[in-house]
Amino acid sequence: EAGVVQSPRYKIIEKKQPVAFWCNPISGHNTLYWYRQNLGQGPELLIRYENEEAVDDSQLPKDRFSAERLKGVDSTLKIQPAELGDSAVYLCASSLLAGGRETQYFGPGTRLLVL
Amino acid sequence: AQSVTQLGSHVSVSEGALVLLRCNYSSSVPPYLFWYVQYPNQGLQLLLKYTTGATLVKGINGFEAEFKKSETSFHLTKPSAHMSDAAEYFCAVKNQAGTALIFGKGTTLSVSS
Repeated sequence: EAGVVQSPRYKIIEKKQPVAFWCNPISGHNTLYWYRQNLGQGPELLIRYENEEAVDDSQLPKDRFSAERLKGVDSTLKIQPAELGDSAVYLCASSLLAGGRETQYFGPGTRLLVL
Repeated sequence: AQSVTQLGSHVSVSEGALVLLRCNYSSSVPPYLFWYVQYPNQGLQLLLKYTTGATLVKGINGFEAEFKKSETSFHLTKPSAHMSDAAEYFCAVKNQAGTALIFGKGTTLSVSS
């Protein structure tokens, strides 16, 4: 069974430029998460989707970040414009359902460096 | 509110020695607890999880963890370290709604020969 797929794996951009990350969850997983992992820290949730609906985006900086999950499968996370502080690893995860017992499966992440 | 504290940002052991990574949690509801491992430039891989039932949980690669409610702890252990265990380890608790993971800051495990 294929795992969570993310691309690109690495991205280097100048500040104020836009950037987008793509995620393909495990087949059949209804719930998709985007986390941000700063250097030396654990991941922190940015947004959670159930099917195509963003049900928790309270931690997403909406002035510059946006996300979509068309047709309830693939998802794209965008930053426009990027700032130096956005340098981090962006992790996508998926689970069959949302719930306490559910395991979240993580992709390899996109490592973003903003210069 | 839920939170996780991992004691020790860096643990070093010799190959064959006991591995002990400490995790304490705070939770206003019965906790669901997880340990993930992250190898360099890779995503997080689930080692084990506790939801309900038996408090001693066995995971992959010979790791296990014991849920101790009285101590609000969920420490990760492995009897004999292997060089391939060198990685970063994250303890996590589900948030109150059970919809997101709240991670500790991680512990880097180094294994020397």
